[in-house]
Amino acid sequence: QLQLQESGPRLVKPSETLSLTCNVSGASIRDNNYYWGWIRQPPGKGLEWIGTVYFSGSTFYTPSLEGRLSISADTSTSQFSLNLGSVTAADTAVYYCARIRVMVAAAFDYWGPGTLVTVSA
Amino acid sequence: AIQMTQSPSSLSASVGDRVTITCRASHGIRIDLGWYQQKPGKAPKLLIYGASTLESGVPSRFSGSGSGTYFTLTISSLQPEDFATYYCLQDYNYPRTFGQGTKLEIK
Repeated sequence: QLQLQESGPRLVKPSETLSLTCNVSGASIRDNNYYWGWIRQPPGKGLEWIGTVYFSGSTFYTPSLEGRLSISADTSTSQFSLNLGSVTAADTAVYYCARIRVMVAAAFDYWGPGTLVTVSA
Repeated sequence: AIQMTQSPSSLSASVGDRVTITCRASHGIRIDLGWYQQKPGKAPKLLIYGASTLESGVPSRFSGSGSGTYFTLTISSLQPEDFATYYCLQDYNYPRTFGQGTKLEIK
């Protein structure tokens, strides 16, 4: 059974770096039928796609975070990670990781339960 | 970036009702659209991908249609467990973008 689980600090200070890891169990992140992504949701607000990493290592980021954001995959540990630098209170959100099917339109088919990260001094 | 506009933003309905939520794209996105259901405190759940293909395990009362810039999600007969927030998502190009959500509440 495929499971995704986000992990990382729940509280980050302003101007520091938010680092999260998504652990994938029950499937390999080297499977080229899928790629992997991060989505966030500020409290009480809608969903925002953050970025994506492919098995090839290619990445795509939302323009509003480009320059602060880095997403990478570690095939040896079946994890992929998010690093967001210079955070502010506006980055407070529930962060979700998800699996996305290649060549199937808009199919984010498995999600982690999400983790709330608060940016505060 | 392609903007996705959902309507209505909220909707009150009763068990057994038929409801339709719409999603409009600012540019044509073929059928590169999915619909997601989110309940409070939970991760979104994939309902429909490719605009009209029902995800495995999703009840057949959910259906999707549309292409290009206009899409709909229809629930044919609302059940108590369907009261949630629904989002559309385009993956025609980057950046991927979600609609702002439609909150479906019990009347």
